Amino acid sequence: EVQLVESGGGLVQPGGSLRLSCAASGFTFSNYWMHWVRQAPGKGLEHISHITSDGSDTKYADSVKGRITISRDNAKNTVYLQMNSLRAEDTAVYYCVRGGGAYWGQGTLVTVSS
Amino acid sequence: QAVVTQEPSLTVSPGGTVTLTCGSSTGTVTSGHYPYWFQQKPGQAPRQLIYDTSNKHPWTPARFSGSLLGGKAALTLSGAQPEDEAEYYCLLSYPGALGGTFGGGTTLTVL
Repeated sequence: EVQLVESGGGLVQPGGSLRLSCAASGFTFSNYWMHWVRQAPGKGLEHISHITSDGSDTKYADSVKGRITISRDNAKNTVYLQMNSLRAEDTAVYYCVRGGGAYWGQGTLVTVSS
Repeated sequence: QAVVTQEPSLTVSPGGTVTLTCGSSTGTVTSGHYPYWFQQKPGQAPRQLIYDTSNKHPWTPARFSGSLLGGKAALTLSGAQPEDEAEYYCLLSYPGALGGTFGGGTTLTVL
């Protein structure tokens, strides 16, 4: 059974940092691109980053470029999202998604507030 | 970055048929955009219904179908059920860019 379990969310002050993790199981992790998608409260879905299967290429949405870094450890079946210089508008549920979009984690809530 | 457009809201009667559409600011939506459709209910993670325009997963109810229609991607629901009331998002892929842009979502009411 494919499982994606996010962790690392929480309350952080504006300008602060947070690292999200997504532990994958039930499939050959190193064969798949991985994505992070976020959803602000009451808003739609926003695809913010992806990383290729071997980690050699990454892409970011303009809204997070320069402040967020995606990475992965194929030995640990885990993908990460390092978030810096956080703003109130980064408040959202962050989902980890397997390439292709068929499998999503349950999401982790990040709240940026003083 | 391209903008993907969807109807903000639609209403369908129980047992009725409704079509949701997904357009692109760059022009005609084609199979090369690999259109995806997701359903999201309150408090839940999105669930993929359709991938690559018209392909279904084992969990996709047969009453949902995907197609290309009038230059857009389309999701048709035939025989709507109360449990189909949800938010529906499409996703289009744009080669070379961040792998996929979501539409703003369509709130579907079954009434």
